[in-house]
Amino acid sequence: QKEVEQNSGPLSVPEGAIASLNCTYSDRGSQSFFWYRQYSGKSPELIMFIYSNGDKEDGRFTAQLNKASQYVSLLIRDSQPSDSATYLCAVGTAGGTSYGKLTFGQGTILTVHP
Amino acid sequence: GAVVSQHPSWVICKSGTSVKIECRSLDFQATTMFWYRQFPKQSLMLMATSNEGSKATYEQGVEKDKFLINHASLTLSTLTVTSAHPEDSSFYICSAYGGRGSYEQYFGPGTRLTVT
Repeated sequence: QKEVEQNSGPLSVPEGAIASLNCTYSDRGSQSFFWYRQYSGKSPELIMFIYSNGDKEDGRFTAQLNKASQYVSLLIRDSQPSDSATYLCAVGTAGGTSYGKLTFGQGTILTVHP
Repeated sequence: GAVVSQHPSWVICKSGTSVKIECRSLDFQATTMFWYRQFPKQSLMLMATSNEGSKATYEQGVEKDKFLINHASLTLSTLTVTSAHPEDSSFYICSAYGGRGSYEQYFGPGTRLTVT
């Protein structure tokens, strides 16, 4: 069974700090990795995706992927109160009947306090 | 980014009735759409995969006769909850997958279903 595990929260950081969110996955065939942000009562919003090992930066967000360790993380620099949300890690395969399907982690609640 | 809409955004229905939820990709053609359900304080659970012009593929444990999915065009998929019961009350979210070598899924705003 394909599993995606996120570090248990909630995670609380002060405004301006770096928030670090972690995710591990069990399926070595996974090829695509996503971080979504979900505000209460809203649907998920895509923040970043990463397909290759290493770091990928987009503004205040950096995604890191290590396929050998089956680990993906999201760093949020200069955290703002508006970043307070649930962050969902999602992992996808790219083959056969599972093409495009995502498996979601349970989510980590992030609170950025002023 | 790609835009996906859902209609209605919320609906209240009586037990035993059926409810149809529409999911549309507004600015791209979605070869595949996915339907998720999310209960309070839980993560998204995939219900089914909907491919244009073919039957939907349901996840284990999801009743295909209860949750009818139709993907009649590259921009529209519908989910019909038949004979709804209070336990079907949930947040239903669709996502559209653009294909063409990209793996991103774009989510609709969701539909809050309450069955009384």
